[in-house]
Amino acid sequence: DAKTTQPPSMDCAEGRAANLPCNHSTISGNEYVYWYRQIHSQGPQYIIHGLKNNETNEMASLIITEDRKSSTLILPHATLRDTAVYYCIVRAFSGSARQLTFGSGTQLTVLP
Amino acid sequence: DAGVIQSPRHEVTEMGQEVTLRCKPISGHNSLFWYRQTMMRGLELLIYFNNNVPIDDSGMPEDRFSAKMPNASFSTLKIQPSEPRDSAVYFCASSLWGGRDTDTQYFGPGTRLTVL
Repeated sequence: DAKTTQPPSMDCAEGRAANLPCNHSTISGNEYVYWYRQIHSQGPQYIIHGLKNNETNEMASLIITEDRKSSTLILPHATLRDTAVYYCIVRAFSGSARQLTFGSGTQLTVLP
Repeated sequence: DAGVIQSPRHEVTEMGQEVTLRCKPISGHNSLFWYRQTMMRGLELLIYFNNNVPIDDSGMPEDRFSAKMPNASFSTLKIQPSEPRDSAVYFCASSLWGGRDTDTQYFGPGTRLTVL
């Protein structure tokens, strides 16, 4: 799976949009971009994933650049409960290797 | 919908004792994963099952660890005998594996294990 690079930490004001970047310059054509988050002491929570097109669900939007070398997770109206570590993961669906490899992630702190 | 259910949520035991962690995957999912999280090593996959069959157990630390999945709705991870270095948070996750682009893993709340 391709390696990802994320900023170690970010702050965001409550009610504002939180934009979390991720670089994955070595991504392959069959690899998806996944986002998870982990709130302290809880299990990782799936947020969204995509291959080429931008995606939106009830939690967030995922914007993938045309060359697919980077992406941005957008939380449109951040709340205090969105404070968590956010992980960008790139993975393919092939073979028997199905482990999710969590890197260091971005610690997002939503400020009141 | 009920998510992945794990029990117990917290376990404190003494070195040498047997520990059994339990997991109920999301109904309808055909894959189950056991992960372990520590500060030093982060989140690492121990073993996963597909249709109740263990597929990859290369992450299991040693013979003291064993995992079973007797049916589609239940799995156990057993440590016997337990050691202080086994102290960690153990997560179970499940997914619906379709062979192509369907393998989103949903995690349970975890079991925090402390071995004294």
